[in-house]
Amino acid sequence: AQKVTQAQTEISVVEKEDVTLDCVYETRDTTYYLFWYKQPPSGELVFLIRRNSFDEQNEISGRYSWNFQKSTSSFNFTITASQVVDSAVYFCALSPNTGFQKLVFGTGTRLLVSP
Amino acid sequence: EAQVTQNPRYLITVTGKKLTVTCSQNMNHEYMSWYRQDPGLGLRQIYYSMNVEVTDKGDVPEGYKVSRKEKRNFPLILESPSPNQTSLYFCASSLSVEGRRFFGPGTRLTVL
Repeated sequence: AQKVTQAQTEISVVEKEDVTLDCVYETRDTTYYLFWYKQPPSGELVFLIRRNSFDEQNEISGRYSWNFQKSTSSFNFTITASQVVDSAVYFCALSPNTGFQKLVFGTGTRLLVSP
Repeated sequence: EAQVTQNPRYLITVTGKKLTVTCSQNMNHEYMSWYRQDPGLGLRQIYYSMNVEVTDKGDVPEGYKVSRKEKRNFPLILESPSPNQTSLYFCASSLSVEGRRFFGPGTRLTVL
């Protein structure tokens, strides 16, 4: 079975703080894909990153960085120097490589960044 | 502009009144899917389609139907809506089975 756990329901930080959003996944597949999406208060889903299971290199994109560790089945997301505009719900998702287009989401982490 | 569109964006209806939520993409994607989002549950997949006339159930298909007669369209049909189908619905498309999903803007449905 596939499962994604985002244990942090809500995180509150003050602007300029660094914050890490945790994502732990379960799958028996050896090939799979992991995603992060952002859902701002306006409600749309914004794609942030896709990572395949064979690529364990960490990725940095501006203030965003992702730490993928297969050994702990984790794909954590860090925002450096957070800003008010980062306030949103963030979803981690898993797509197993079964040939069928399933996408399993975590329950999301709500990030509140105050000025 | 590459996009996924959904209509209507908001809908209030009553129990048992059949409704259809349309979804259309202009990116020539083969893969399309529907999700519902509920508080505390994240997004859950309802149905997906891998090509015209090829559809399959996701994790929560009960009470829903879909059809894929054209590549660009993937409507979600609620034959007899019930209050537990009150939710935020998203349609998505992707170029490949494992690819990035492009999501529509969402449809907020309330069933009274």
